Amino acid sequence: EPEVTQTPSHQVTQMGQEVILRCVPISNHLYFYWYRQILGQKVEFLVSFYNNEISEKSEIFDDQFSVERPDGSNFTLKIRSTKLEDSAMYFCASSEGRGSYEQYFGPGTRLTVT
Amino acid sequence: DAKTTQPNSMESNEEEPVHLPCNHSTISGTDYIHWYRQLPSQGPEYVIHGLTSNVNNRMASLAIAEDRKSSTLILHRATLRDAAVYYCILRDVWWKGNEKLTFGTGTRLTIIP
Repeated sequence: EPEVTQTPSHQVTQMGQEVILRCVPISNHLYFYWYRQILGQKVEFLVSFYNNEISEKSEIFDDQFSVERPDGSNFTLKIRSTKLEDSAMYFCASSEGRGSYEQYFGPGTRLTVT
Repeated sequence: DAKTTQPNSMESNEEEPVHLPCNHSTISGTDYIHWYRQLPSQGPEYVIHGLTSNVNNRMASLAIAEDRKSSTLILHRATLRDAAVYYCILRDVWWKGNEKLTFGTGTRLTIIP
């Protein structure tokens, strides 16, 4: 069964450093998403991406965040200058398109900012 | 987004049915009811969705009240692997700019061996 993959599984970085989290969505999917979950808290939407542009973003997704689909398979989330409060589990998801009922989530990347 | 209310936690014995309730009294006519679950240390996983009629799939059943103000996710025979946080989410899938899933705190289901 096709699945969303994410790398790395765990990333440790120092405050102020840039990080790039990588995702490979399911191949025929058209919508891509990033969510995050701070330890013990809710899963929060960050951004959705369609047709090579952001279609929706949350208040969390400020200028420090960016997303890119650099090629036909990868979808990345970049945090330019990490803060301690960016420490969280970051989940990538994909869906077939608008009207799709299912979003398929990856296993997540645990980001630890020290 | 219309709000949902779920119990914080529930327990069930292994191999018995589990009924997970969700109240959504402010649901709109175009909101679909989605259920996702999150197993420990994993990403959320789609379970089932419905609009008005009851739905069945290989994972679960979804019973929707006639007035659509509440719904119940039914796991017919719980296994230890079903221990997870279950989220009931309303979403109008056809509304542009509303692709996101808005997660609440969900119901933490514990399965007793």
